[in-house]
Amino acid sequence: EDQVTQSPEALRLQEGESSSLNCSYTVSGLRGLFWYRQDPGKGPEFLFTLYSAGEEKEKERLKATLTKKESFLHITAPKPEDSATYLCAVQGGVYSGGGADGLTFGKGTHLIIQP
Amino acid sequence: EAEVAQSPRYKITEKSQAVAFWCDPISGHATLYWYRQILGQGPELLVQFQDESVVDDSQLPKDRFSAERLKGVDSTLKIQPAELGDSAMYLCASTLRGGFKTEAFFGQGTRLTVV
Repeated sequence: EDQVTQSPEALRLQEGESSSLNCSYTVSGLRGLFWYRQDPGKGPEFLFTLYSAGEEKEKERLKATLTKKESFLHITAPKPEDSATYLCAVQGGVYSGGGADGLTFGKGTHLIIQP
Repeated sequence: EAEVAQSPRYKITEKSQAVAFWCDPISGHATLYWYRQILGQGPELLVQFQDESVVDDSQLPKDRFSAERLKGVDSTLKIQPAELGDSAMYLCASTLRGGFKTEAFFGQGTRLTVV
């Protein structure tokens, strides 16, 4: 069974104070690791997909990295508008051309950036 | 910008009543997912469709939940009878075609409160 653990559960930072969110996972054959941002009362918004260890992707103040056991979401010089819950999810198993491929999510990290 | 449409946004229903949610995926997206998200938790997969066929409904409580996607486009998720523990956000997501190297895009969700 695929499992995703995110830490910390909550993080409060001052504006401009860089930090990292952790996502540890166990999966039988990683097909993809996904990061989403979720604002209160809204659906998750896609940020990144990582496919293999060593891969990195960046978007504005966010950078996602991947190892064989975990992924990090680095936030550089965050602003108040970066406040949200950040969800990590994995897609595992062997690709079988249209078979079951739903995501397994962690509980998320609730990030608050104070001005 | 193309998006996944869901309705209603909010629904309050009494215990033992029937309730239904509707989802219209991004045009051309063959794969559609329904997830349930309890407050403070990550989304959990309920059912996955590939076109009009169910690919995975292993986590769907079939005694009270049903889902259909008759023409392979929009989808309906039904609960009958609703229970207090069904209070949650119900999220719909779609991908171009399920499988390797595709990210899921989510709708804004339906917030269900059972009283």
